[in-house]
Amino acid sequence: DTVLTQSPGLAVSPGERVTISCRASESVGTRVHWYRQKPGQQPKLLIYGTSYRDSGVPARFSGSGSGTDFTLTIDPVEANDAATYFCQQSWNDWTFGGGTKLELK
Amino acid sequence: QVQLQQSGAELVKPGSSVKISCKAAGYTFTTYDMFWMKQQPGNGLEWIGWSSPGNGKTKYNKKFNGKAIITADKSSSTAYLQLSSLTSEDSAVYFCAIGGSFFEYWGQGVMVRVSS
Repeated sequence: DTVLTQSPGLAVSPGERVTISCRASESVGTRVHWYRQKPGQQPKLLIYGTSYRDSGVPARFSGSGSGTDFTLTIDPVEANDAATYFCQQSWNDWTFGGGTKLELK
Repeated sequence: QVQLQQSGAELVKPGSSVKISCKAAGYTFTTYDMFWMKQQPGNGLEWIGWSSPGNGKTKYNKKFNGKAIITADKSSSTAYLQLSSLTSEDSAVYFCAIGGSFFEYWGQGVMVRVSS
Protein backbone atom coordinates (compact mmCIF):
# COMPACT_ATOMS: atom_id res chain seq x y z
CA ASP A 1 0.00 0.00 0.00
CA THR A 2 1.06 3.57 -0.65
CA VAL A 3 1.50 5.31 2.71
CA LEU A 4 0.90 9.04 2.99
CA THR A 5 2.64 10.82 5.88
CA GLN A 6 1.42 14.26 6.92
CA SER A 7 3.02 16.95 9.01
CA PRO A 8 1.99 17.08 12.67
CA GLY A 9 -0.55 19.49 14.05
CA LEU A 10 -0.03 23.19 13.54
CA ALA A 11 -1.12 26.33 15.36
CA VAL A 12 -1.27 29.60 13.48
CA SER A 13 -2.86 33.02 13.88
CA PRO A 14 -5.52 34.35 11.55
CA GLY A 15 -3.98 36.20 8.65
CA GLU A 16 -0.85 34.05 8.54
CA ARG A 17 0.21 31.65 5.81
CA VAL A 18 0.29 27.93 6.58
CA THR A 19 1.66 25.01 4.61
CA ILE A 20 0.63 21.42 5.28
CA SER A 21 2.81 18.69 3.87
CA CYS A 22 2.05 15.20 2.59
CA ARG A 23 4.78 12.73 1.66
CA ALA A 24 4.06 9.52 -0.24
CA SER A 25 6.02 6.30 0.26
CA GLU A 26 6.30 5.99 -3.53
CA SER A 27 5.63 8.20 -6.50
CA VAL A 28 1.95 8.98 -7.02
CA GLY A 29 2.31 11.32 -10.00
CA THR A 30 -0.02 14.24 -9.41
CA ARG A 31 -2.94 12.15 -8.14
CA VAL A 32 -3.08 13.78 -4.76
CA HIS A 33 -6.20 15.41 -3.38
CA TRP A 34 -6.88 17.39 -0.22
CA TYR A 35 -9.86 17.48 2.13
CA ARG A 36 -10.90 19.46 5.17
CA GLN A 37 -12.87 17.81 7.96
CA LYS A 38 -14.42 19.47 10.96
CA PRO A 39 -15.53 17.47 14.03
CA GLY A 40 -18.70 15.50 13.43
CA GLN A 41 -18.75 16.28 9.72
CA GLN A 42 -17.85 14.50 6.55
CA PRO A 43 -14.67 15.44 4.66
CA LYS A 44 -14.96 18.27 2.17
CA LEU A 45 -12.93 18.23 -1.03
CA LEU A 46 -10.67 21.25 -1.39
CA ILE A 47 -8.06 20.39 -4.01
CA TYR A 48 -7.90 17.62 -6.60
CA GLY A 49 -5.16 16.58 -8.97
CA THR A 50 -2.54 18.29 -6.77
CA SER A 51 -3.50 21.87 -7.65
CA TYR A 52 -7.09 22.21 -8.89
CA ARG A 53 -9.54 23.87 -6.53
CA ASP A 54 -12.94 22.27 -6.23
CA SER A 55 -15.91 24.42 -7.12
CA GLY A 56 -16.54 27.14 -4.55
CA VAL A 57 -13.22 26.70 -2.74
CA PRO A 58 -11.62 30.10 -2.11
CA ALA A 59 -8.40 31.07 -3.84
CA ARG A 60 -6.78 31.19 -0.37
CA PHE A 61 -6.34 27.44 -0.78
CA SER A 62 -3.69 26.17 -3.16
CA GLY A 63 -1.89 22.91 -3.76
CA SER A 64 1.42 21.97 -5.28
CA GLY A 65 3.88 19.13 -5.66
CA SER A 66 4.54 16.02 -7.68
CA GLY A 67 6.02 12.57 -7.25
CA THR A 68 6.25 12.01 -3.52
CA ASP A 69 6.03 15.48 -1.93
CA PHE A 70 2.91 17.59 -1.86
CA THR A 71 1.79 20.73 -0.09
CA LEU A 72 -1.49 22.41 0.76
CA THR A 73 -1.15 26.13 1.41
CA ILE A 74 -3.72 28.37 3.05
CA ASP A 75 -2.96 32.08 2.70
CA PRO A 76 -4.29 33.91 4.55
CA VAL A 77 -5.68 31.61 7.25
CA GLU A 78 -9.08 32.52 8.62
CA ALA A 79 -10.61 31.55 11.97
CA ASN A 80 -13.04 29.23 10.19
CA ASP A 81 -10.13 27.15 8.83
CA ALA A 82 -9.59 25.35 12.14
CA ALA A 83 -10.02 21.70 11.13
CA THR A 84 -8.16 18.53 10.24
CA TYR A 85 -6.75 18.36 6.73
CA PHE A 86 -6.23 15.07 4.91
CA CYS A 87 -4.36 14.24 1.75
CA GLN A 88 -5.40 11.28 -0.40
CA GLN A 89 -3.76 9.52 -3.34
CA SER A 90 -5.39 7.67 -6.18
CA TRP A 91 -2.32 6.46 -8.08
CA ASN A 92 -2.24 3.06 -6.39
CA ASP A 93 -5.78 2.27 -5.26
CA TRP A 94 -6.79 4.85 -2.66
CA THR A 95 -5.14 5.79 0.62
CA PHE A 96 -5.38 8.76 2.95
CA GLY A 97 -2.85 10.52 5.12
CA GLY A 98 -3.28 10.50 8.88
CA GLY A 99 -4.42 14.11 8.90
CA THR A 100 -2.97 17.41 10.09
CA LYS A 101 -4.92 19.25 12.76
CA LEU A 102 -4.82 22.99 12.23
CA GLU A 103 -5.52 25.09 15.31
CA LEU A 104 -6.02 28.83 15.37
CA LYS A 105 -4.27 30.89 18.03
CA GLN B 1 -28.11 18.93 -5.87
CA VAL B 2 -26.24 15.71 -5.13
CA GLN B 3 -27.08 14.20 -1.76
CA LEU B 4 -25.96 11.01 -0.09
CA GLN B 5 -28.16 10.23 2.90
CA GLN B 6 -26.90 7.52 5.21
CA SER B 7 -28.82 5.44 7.72
CA GLY B 8 -28.67 6.00 11.46
CA ALA B 9 -26.18 5.03 14.13
CA GLU B 10 -25.90 1.38 15.08
CA LEU B 11 -25.08 -0.33 18.37
CA VAL B 12 -24.34 -3.97 17.70
CA LYS B 13 -23.00 -6.97 19.59
CA PRO B 14 -19.65 -8.60 18.94
CA GLY B 15 -19.88 -11.42 16.43
CA SER B 16 -22.98 -10.02 14.77
CA SER B 17 -23.43 -8.30 11.42
CA VAL B 18 -24.69 -4.88 10.43
CA LYS B 19 -25.93 -3.43 7.15
CA ILE B 20 -25.86 0.32 6.62
CA SER B 21 -27.30 2.23 3.70
CA CYS B 22 -26.56 5.26 1.56
CA LYS B 23 -29.42 6.69 -0.48
CA ALA B 24 -28.35 8.80 -3.43
CA ALA B 25 -30.27 11.70 -4.93
CA GLY B 26 -29.65 14.51 -7.39
CA TYR B 27 -27.78 12.52 -10.01
CA THR B 28 -28.10 9.34 -12.07
CA PHE B 29 -27.20 6.57 -9.63
CA THR B 30 -25.44 4.42 -12.21
CA THR B 31 -23.13 7.21 -13.34
CA TYR B 32 -20.66 7.12 -10.46
CA ASP B 33 -18.94 4.41 -8.48
CA MET B 34 -19.98 4.32 -4.83
CA PHE B 35 -17.13 4.09 -2.35
CA TRP B 36 -17.17 3.24 1.34
CA MET B 37 -14.64 4.55 3.84
CA LYS B 38 -13.89 3.77 7.50
CA GLN B 39 -12.76 6.33 10.06
CA GLN B 40 -11.88 5.35 13.60
CA PRO B 41 -11.76 8.03 16.32
CA GLY B 42 -8.64 10.12 16.00
CA ASN B 43 -7.55 8.18 12.95
CA GLY B 44 -7.39 8.83 9.30
CA LEU B 45 -9.61 7.36 6.65
CA GLU B 46 -9.40 3.93 5.05
CA TRP B 47 -10.87 2.87 1.74
CA ILE B 48 -13.05 -0.23 2.18
CA GLY B 49 -14.21 -0.83 -1.35
CA TRP B 50 -16.45 0.37 -4.14
CA SER B 51 -19.28 -0.79 -6.30
CA SER B 52 -20.28 0.27 -9.78
CA PRO B 53 -24.09 0.41 -9.73
CA GLY B 54 -24.22 0.38 -13.51
CA ASN B 55 -22.67 -3.03 -14.01
CA GLY B 56 -22.53 -4.52 -10.51
CA LYS B 57 -18.75 -4.65 -10.38
CA THR B 58 -17.11 -4.40 -6.98
CA LYS B 59 -13.59 -4.07 -5.68
CA TYR B 60 -12.36 -4.31 -2.10
CA ASN B 61 -9.35 -3.20 -0.13
CA LYS B 62 -7.73 -6.56 0.62
CA LYS B 63 -7.76 -5.61 4.31
CA PHE B 64 -11.56 -5.86 4.25
CA ASN B 65 -11.92 -9.09 2.28
CA GLY B 66 -14.26 -11.32 4.23
CA LYS B 67 -15.33 -8.41 6.44
CA ALA B 68 -17.28 -6.18 4.08
CA ILE B 69 -19.80 -6.73 1.31
CA ILE B 70 -20.92 -3.79 -0.83
CA THR B 71 -24.13 -3.93 -2.83
CA ALA B 72 -26.30 -1.48 -4.71
CA ASP B 73 -30.00 -1.38 -5.57
CA LYS B 74 -30.59 0.60 -8.75
CA SER B 75 -34.36 0.65 -8.24
CA SER B 76 -34.02 2.69 -5.04
CA SER B 77 -30.69 4.41 -5.80
CA THR B 78 -29.33 2.99 -2.57
CA ALA B 79 -25.96 1.45 -1.79
CA TYR B 80 -25.29 -0.84 1.12
CA LEU B 81 -22.31 -1.84 3.22
CA GLN B 82 -22.59 -5.04 5.22
CA LEU B 83 -20.01 -5.80 7.88
CA SER B 84 -19.80 -9.24 9.45
CA SER B 85 -18.20 -10.94 12.47
CA LEU B 86 -18.00 -7.60 14.19
CA THR B 87 -15.34 -6.86 16.81
CA SER B 88 -14.36 -3.74 18.70
CA GLU B 89 -11.96 -2.95 15.85
CA ASP B 90 -14.99 -2.38 13.63
CA SER B 91 -16.28 0.44 15.83
CA ALA B 92 -15.93 3.47 13.60
CA VAL B 93 -17.72 5.99 11.44
CA TYR B 94 -18.47 4.70 7.97
CA PHE B 95 -18.88 7.09 5.05
CA CYS B 96 -20.19 6.58 1.55
CA ALA B 97 -18.79 8.81 -1.18
CA ILE B 98 -19.00 9.03 -4.92
CA GLY B 99 -16.12 9.56 -7.25
CA GLY B 100 -13.34 7.72 -8.94
CA SER B 101 -10.02 9.36 -8.34
CA PHE B 102 -11.21 11.83 -5.69
CA PHE B 103 -14.44 12.25 -3.76
CA GLU B 104 -16.51 15.38 -4.20
CA TYR B 105 -19.64 14.15 -2.46
CA TRP B 106 -19.86 12.32 0.84
CA GLY B 107 -22.62 11.02 3.05
CA GLN B 108 -22.86 12.37 6.57
CA GLY B 109 -21.40 9.21 8.07
CA VAL B 110 -22.79 6.40 10.22
CA MET B 111 -21.38 5.63 13.65
CA VAL B 112 -21.19 1.89 14.27
CA ARG B 113 -20.41 0.87 17.83
CA VAL B 114 -19.64 -2.73 18.67
CA SER B 115 -20.28 -3.51 22.30
CA SER B 116 -21.78 -6.27 24.40
